[in-house]
Amino acid sequence: KAGVTQTPRYLIKTRGQQVTLSCSPISGHRSVSWYQQTPGQGLQFLFEYFSETQRNKGNFPGRFSGRQFSNSRSEMNVSTLELGDSALYLCASSLDLPGQGMNEQYFGPGTRLTVT
Amino acid sequence: AQSVTQPDIHITVSEGASLELRCNYSYGATPYLFWYVQSPGQGLQLLLKYFSGDTLVQGIKGFEAEFKRSQSSFNLRKPSVHWSDAAEYFCAVGGLGGSQGNLIFGKGTKLSVKP
Repeated sequence: KAGVTQTPRYLIKTRGQQVTLSCSPISGHRSVSWYQQTPGQGLQFLFEYFSETQRNKGNFPGRFSGRQFSNSRSEMNVSTLELGDSALYLCASSLDLPGQGMNEQYFGPGTRLTVT
Repeated sequence: AQSVTQPDIHITVSEGASLELRCNYSYGATPYLFWYVQSPGQGLQLLLKYFSGDTLVQGIKGFEAEFKRSQSSFNLRKPSVHWSDAAEYFCAVGGLGGSQGNLIFGKGTKLSVKP
């Protein structure tokens, strides 16, 4: 079974631009979460999607948004990029079957975003 | 607020030596606990998890971890370290608010292995 895939793997953008990152979860997985990883702040939760609905959101400004499609694939968008948005953005998926309790998350390789 | 603390930022061990990475959490209920490993430029790989039951859990690559409720700890151990274990290790708490996502991570411990 293929793992979580993220595209693109590397991205360079200029301040003020916007960017869209894509995540394809493991086949059959229904929940997708996004995390930002920086040297200073570490790994921080951005948001979680399940059945095309945002189920949880971390403490990030409204410039960060996401969505999930009917096939569970997800995208995240960052508008009006700032230098501080330079980070590794990680997507994770989990099975999340009803009544099954907690499932582990499986992470993709990440998208390295550099804002200049 | 929930938090995860990994007190050691960087640890160096000799190849073949034993390893223990510390993790303490702050959480009101019984947490779901995870250890992930990250090699440079890579995503996170799940090493092991604790949901309930036996407090000593076995994971991949010869790692194990022990959940100690009284100490709010979930330390990761390996009896004999291999050079390929050099990486960054993250402890995480999950299941907050009944959510599958929303893991809270520690700051990580970077492991270096001396030949």
